[in-house]
Amino acid sequence: AQSVAQPEDQVNVAEGNPLTVKCTYSVSGNPYLFWYVQYPNRGLQFLLKYITGDNLVKGSYGFEAEFNKSQTSFHLKKPSALVSDSALYFCAVRDSGSARQLTFGSGTQLTVLP
Amino acid sequence: EAQVTQNPRYLITVTGKKLTVTCSQNMNHEYMSWYRQDPGLGLRQIYYSMNVEVTDKGDVPEGYKVSRKEKRNFPLILESPSPNQTSLYFCASSFLGTGGYTFGSGTRLTVV
Repeated sequence: AQSVAQPEDQVNVAEGNPLTVKCTYSVSGNPYLFWYVQYPNRGLQFLLKYITGDNLVKGSYGFEAEFNKSQTSFHLKKPSALVSDSALYFCAVRDSGSARQLTFGSGTQLTVLP
Repeated sequence: EAQVTQNPRYLITVTGKKLTVTCSQNMNHEYMSWYRQDPGLGLRQIYYSMNVEVTDKGDVPEGYKVSRKEKRNFPLILESPSPNQTSLYFCASSFLGTGGYTFGSGTRLTVV
């Protein structure tokens, strides 16, 4: 069975500082990895994905994520946080050999303090 | 505009009264799925469909039904809702392959 762990329920960072939201995964085959963001009373919005190729993936709104196969991690990063980045972030994984199920982590609430 | 449309956005109902939450996508996606979101649990998959007339259970299918008679529509049916089905529900769709999901705006269901 595949799984995703987001070890931090809450991450606080000052505006202008770099941010990291952590994610580790477990999947039997090769992983397809995704990050989504959820603003209050909204659906989930796609940020970025790793399918294959470069381990550093760049996405929307200045976010990027680094795929580390040996550590089975896919941490989300941004060099300089904005107050408007405050939201709930979800990491998700699915097995490249199966389109059947995208498994989500429990989410990390990011708060950027002015 | 490419989108997944869910209705209704908010619903309060009583225990045992059958209800349907509709989901429609206009992107010709083969894959559609229903998730429920509960605090601290993230999103858990209820049912998914790989194409018309092809549906399968996700992680938490008990108490739910789905159908996929047309490619664009994937309704979620609660035959006899119970209070433990109070949750925020999301429909999502994608192409089969490497694509990410497109999510609907969500349906907040309260069962009293």
